[in-house]
Amino acid sequence: GAVVSQHPSWVICKSGTSVKIECRSLDFQATTMFWYRQFPKQSLMLMATSNEGSKATYEQGVEKDKFLINHASLTLSTLTVTSAHPEDSSFYICSAMGLAGVYNEQFFGPGTRLTVL
Amino acid sequence: SQQGEEDPQALSIQEGENATMNCSYKTSINNLQWYRQNSGRGLVHLILIRSNEREKHSGRLRVTLDTSKKSSSLLITASRAADTASYFCATLNTGNQFYFGTGTSLTVIP
Repeated sequence: GAVVSQHPSWVICKSGTSVKIECRSLDFQATTMFWYRQFPKQSLMLMATSNEGSKATYEQGVEKDKFLINHASLTLSTLTVTSAHPEDSSFYICSAMGLAGVYNEQFFGPGTRLTVL
Repeated sequence: SQQGEEDPQALSIQEGENATMNCSYKTSINNLQWYRQNSGRGLVHLILIRSNEREKHSGRLRVTLDTSKKSSSLLITASRAADTASYFCATLNTGNQFYFGTGTSLTVIP
């Protein structure tokens, strides 16, 4: 199956710093990538939908100036958590959908655990 | 919120028994997928069922989809201790957005 990687897998940072998380589709081109956040013992919450070459679409309640998404190529999307605070500590997961259209399954990255001190 | 709901929230069964989880969703969908997640780990894709399909099998997994009721079920037969995990349904809607259900935590007791 298709492979999606995330980097880093785990990051610890100080409050106020910015953290960039990369999501890459390794063996296919992803027109659409999704970013999710998961708090402990909760489900994944969709944060934003990212289409290559266009601005991301953010879900209600997600601050676009705080969570900057860049989908610069068909294999790479980045999520930057700006001025991180302890409440941003979470498990961030990306997924990618290929070019073939509506019946494609989502391919998920392994997730990035962010801890803000 | 377009997040779907799953029930039960938690399920505890003996090894060898069957486990059934239900998922309800809110919008028209293109497909529905089931995932499992072990504690603190990434997602594992289990099965995808398209909106024009009603039932699908994969090994010990059986998934049904009722689009008129906007619901799906996942049946795991002959459960094993290794099946202990959280299970999530996720729907791809006609707007190409992907939403997860609230999840079911399954514990299989050896």
